[in-house]
Amino acid sequence: SQTIHQWPATLVQPVGSPLSLECTVEGTSNPNLYWYRQAAGRGLQLLFYSIGIDQISSEVPQNLSASRPQDRQFILSSKKLLLSDSGFYLCAWSVKRQGAGGYTFGSGTRLTVV
Amino acid sequence: AQKITQTQPGMFVQEKEAVTLDCTYDTSDQSYGLFWYKQPSSGEMIFLIYQGSYDEQNATEGRYSLNFQKARKSANLVISASQLGDSAMYFCAMRLPYFGNEKLTFGTGTRLTIIP
Repeated sequence: SQTIHQWPATLVQPVGSPLSLECTVEGTSNPNLYWYRQAAGRGLQLLFYSIGIDQISSEVPQNLSASRPQDRQFILSSKKLLLSDSGFYLCAWSVKRQGAGGYTFGSGTRLTVV
Repeated sequence: AQKITQTQPGMFVQEKEAVTLDCTYDTSDQSYGLFWYKQPSSGEMIFLIYQGSYDEQNATEGRYSLNFQKARKSANLVISASQLGDSAMYFCAMRLPYFGNEKLTFGTGTRLTIIP
């Protein structure tokens, strides 16, 4: 069965520090991968999505970046965090041309920038 | 661009009553998929139900049903016989089926509280 792992679960980082969040998927190959961010009490905002290794699209201009060094690994990074980067980050995957329920989310990372 | 609107920021419902969560969407595409997700306080996103734009019947999954009115561009979630465990945030989402671009666009959510 397919599983998605996301870590760490919580993170407190000072302003200006770097960030690296990792997401891996097991039990499938060539998935679409996504990074979403959720501000407190708000909906989900798509940050990046990837249809393949080194194929990444950015949805929102910001100081974040994403990389996909392996087929089932998706990394969200920042060189210098801002206070506005605080939020709940969710990784998700889907099969291509998926049908119902094709999106599976990780358990999320709660990031607080202080 | 597609847009999802959820106009109810919060709802309070008595346990065992049915509840309807509203969702309207905007797209010029004829082919699309509509999803509902539940997000408990733990933060995980739990898939509830899916409706394809060409599905002739409303989707149902246990106590969840989707009232799909294509002409009105609405996709309301109905929860029958609500339970305390239904207290959570609920998000409506839409996906366009373009190969390689199957992104989910979410609404702002509705916080549902079930009162014992």
